[in-house]
Amino acid sequence: RKEVEQDPGPFNVPEGATVAFNCTYSNSASQSFFWYRQDCRKEPKLLMSVYSSGNEDGRFTAQLNRASQYISLLIRDSKLSDSATYLCVVTQNTGNQFYFGTGTSLTVIP
Amino acid sequence: NAGVTQTPKFQVLKTGQSMTLQCAQDMNHEYMSWYRQDPGMGLRLIHYSVGAGITDQGEVPNGYNVSRSTTEDFPLRLLSAAPSQTSVYFCASRRRDSPGQQKLFFGSGTQLSVL
Repeated sequence: RKEVEQDPGPFNVPEGATVAFNCTYSNSASQSFFWYRQDCRKEPKLLMSVYSSGNEDGRFTAQLNRASQYISLLIRDSKLSDSATYLCVVTQNTGNQFYFGTGTSLTVIP
Repeated sequence: NAGVTQTPKFQVLKTGQSMTLQCAQDMNHEYMSWYRQDPGMGLRLIHYSVGAGITDQGEVPNGYNVSRSTTEDFPLRLLSAAPSQTSVYFCASRRRDSPGQQKLFFGSGTQLSVL
């Protein structure tokens, strides 16, 4: 069983749309949670950390449900520049091992 | 600051050849790691290090060796390349403390093909 599972998509949405991604993790002892963004043929970059109380960064909102072991990312008012693959990431134990989901592909259409 | 620098960007090997992927960071990060990214598999941790002289295995360590003689450098060695090691390799670093607050800084990746 994979540590982190994501729907690979692709999600194709028009500009201005709201889109949501979910991710589940298998280890209830997972400690820290993140969303990373990866553009085609580029390195992943941190989009935002995910906190138990939920957190927002501009058009992006992340939420964590520890009881159900899932993480979500909501993107409002989608822009063309949001087109990328979004990676769900969790850490375990000492935080030395980061587990990545396979990513969800988003294309924002003009 | 250059951040995390990986070389080479592209490499083609024949089965059985050896090579070293280089990774260097100038942010004084204690933690460094190597990942491979394959289609449909996501990034998987190969090896990591929490400081000079300390290394440990990740999810997929077989076929790879690492060493950490300095804080700045964390090379990944393939002793006898196999076609199954064809992948994109990323080096990443972060400060060691408070992993919940720390982001991984990635290098730009190495595309490796083993024929």
